[in-house]
Amino acid sequence: SYVLTQPPSVSVAPGKTARITCGGNNIESKSVNWYQQKPGQAPVLVIYYDNDRPSGIPERFSGSNSGNTATLTISKVEAGDEADYFCQVWDSSSDFSVLFGGGTKLTVL
Amino acid sequence: EVQLLESGGGLVQPGGSLRLSCAASGFTFSGSAMSWVRQAPGKGLEWVSTISGNAASTYYADSVKGRFTISRDNSKNTLYLQMNSLRAEDTAVYYCAKLLGSPGPFDYWGQGTLVTVSS
Repeated sequence: SYVLTQPPSVSVAPGKTARITCGGNNIESKSVNWYQQKPGQAPVLVIYYDNDRPSGIPERFSGSNSGNTATLTISKVEAGDEADYFCQVWDSSSDFSVLFGGGTKLTVL
Repeated sequence: EVQLLESGGGLVQPGGSLRLSCAASGFTFSGSAMSWVRQAPGKGLEWVSTISGNAASTYYADSVKGRFTISRDNSKNTLYLQMNSLRAEDTAVYYCAKLLGSPGPFDYWGQGTLVTVSS
């Protein structure tokens, strides 16, 4: 079955750029969505269809998808960006199912 | 404004049953596929089930297939999850989520309801 692999943690200083990866076999053939989840809160969609931003999400958030790796990039990181981030795809190879990556804890130093 | 409000969570013994509800508002409910996604304490997100807007199609994760049933009442703008034969590993916060297209991203989420399976 298809597997999405994320690093457990990423640390970045305020004002710098954070890159969170999501690895999967030929993931570029799938549309990748990204969610931000702060403690005690529901997930929030921050990037969909690889690199589209929902309304209300700052332009600092962007996405890319190539080869075996999709990447969520957060530029000019702020303290408020500290959260867990999950990537997600639809796996059409096995009937119909949704896969989430294991999640990455972004720490703002 | 889109709102999703889950209810029905609680403490249940192993082997027991529970029905979750999700009241939706702020969008055309019958036109949207809906899903349940759960999160065990301290763990990541796990997709549980999806139902199409007209309820003609339903999909389940292998971990719940045969035990859980997703349904919806479009006249009441409400999504349901009937959970039977519950196990300790079903303990989680259960979120209902709206789909932007199917397949598509989960563009809105409820605040979740906690289900605890324990004796």
